[in-house]
Amino acid sequence: EAGVTQFPSHSVIEKGQTVTLRCDPISGHDNLYWYRRVMGKEIKFLLHFVKESKQDESGMPNNRFLAERTGGTYSTLKVQPAELEDSGVYFCASSQDRVYGYTFGSGTRLTVV
Amino acid sequence: AQTVTQSQPEMSVQEAETVTLSCTYDTSESNYYLFWYKQPPSRQMILVIRQEAYKQQNATENRFSVNFQKAAKSFSLKISDSQLGDTAMYFCAFMKHSGTYKYIFGTGTRLKVLA
Repeated sequence: EAGVTQFPSHSVIEKGQTVTLRCDPISGHDNLYWYRRVMGKEIKFLLHFVKESKQDESGMPNNRFLAERTGGTYSTLKVQPAELEDSGVYFCASSQDRVYGYTFGSGTRLTVV
Repeated sequence: AQTVTQSQPEMSVQEAETVTLSCTYDTSESNYYLFWYKQPPSRQMILVIRQEAYKQQNATENRFSVNFQKAAKSFSLKISDSQLGDTAMYFCAFMKHSGTYKYIFGTGTRLKVLA
């Protein structure tokens, strides 16, 4: 079974630019989550999709972040315009059962300069 | 709101020895789950062990075991017979048994196993 795939693995952009991160979940997993780890701090929840619907976006930091999940398959997280404090590692995870079988991707390391 | 605290930013252990990573949490929930995740240098996070709060018996997975003290809200991870491949960041995490089922993570402990 293919795992959760995220790309790019690294992205370096200038402040004010736009970046789009992509996550391909495990096929058949209805639940898709985005998390973020800012350097040295805890990993924080951003949002949760069930299929194509946003179930909980309480962790989204501000309206510069836009997440979508087309047709309930892959998801994108767009940051526009990027700020220095957006730097960190963005993790995606998917699961069929909400508690068990959570699988994380390898993350996208975003650096805003 | 729930919080998870890992008070040891870095630890090291000699190969074949035993090490314990600490984790405390705060919650008013009665039904929840606790987890330890490992993130090796390749960066994909892998589940190490899971504990259901309603179970009194401590979870074990091969060389990994936990000491779950519900009243004290403590959830430490013991790694026995440490191996070089255990070198990684270890994250303690809490999940409420309702709602979004999202993780609340600690800040992590970087463990280095020395040859």
